[in-house]
Amino acid sequence: QQPVQSPQAVILREGEDAVINCSSSKALYSVHWYRQKHGEAPVFLMILLKGGEQKGHEKISASFNEKKQQSSLYLTASQLSYSGTYFCGTEGVGGNNRKLIWGLGTSLAVNP
Amino acid sequence: GAVVSQHPSRVICKSGTSVKIECRSLDFQATTMFWYRQFPKQSLMLMATSNEGSKATYEQGVEKDKFLINHASLTLSTLTVTSAHPEDSSFYICSARNQQVNYGYTFGSGTRLTVV
Repeated sequence: QQPVQSPQAVILREGEDAVINCSSSKALYSVHWYRQKHGEAPVFLMILLKGGEQKGHEKISASFNEKKQQSSLYLTASQLSYSGTYFCGTEGVGGNNRKLIWGLGTSLAVNP
Repeated sequence: GAVVSQHPSRVICKSGTSVKIECRSLDFQATTMFWYRQFPKQSLMLMATSNEGSKATYEQGVEKDKFLINHASLTLSTLTVTSAHPEDSSFYICSARNQQVNYGYTFGSGTRLTVV
């Protein structure tokens, strides 16, 4: 049930791009993306509710392919502040499946 | 908005004592709140779902008598770690969702519990 995130870790130089993927074996109602910095609580980035939906937040955007049950997070022209662990959370369709299930996270380090 | 306040941020207690952690939704009402536990470099582990006015729903393997949850109002949920032991040391985080504005889940700042 737990969504699978890839890659597990990414190291970038400032200004480079990265893609983080999140895939589920179950039909999805929504996908959430969060970033957590060391010692802090996760911070909400965005939620995607519809198949094929794409959302943007500054230079961070995401897509959701409902048919493939996958979501990707795109970080463009990365900044030092983007460093942290990125988690996707998925909600299944209907009833009791609306509980958020977390992926294991992708560690992103942006170096000067 | 969707602001969640969690206190305390850090607590050190002796083995055998109990610790209460508070989670408040400041600008919205939360009929449901979630309590997580997180070990270093690991994902969030859902412990229980706190329901206003009714019993909490615990995840498999989480001891109900060990981790007492009370959700007495629409803005406050508390987690009490009873008879704490060193293995209970962890980062505890609460979250809630403002359904009216379709935000994602907002997290409290977390509580770093150290049991000595």
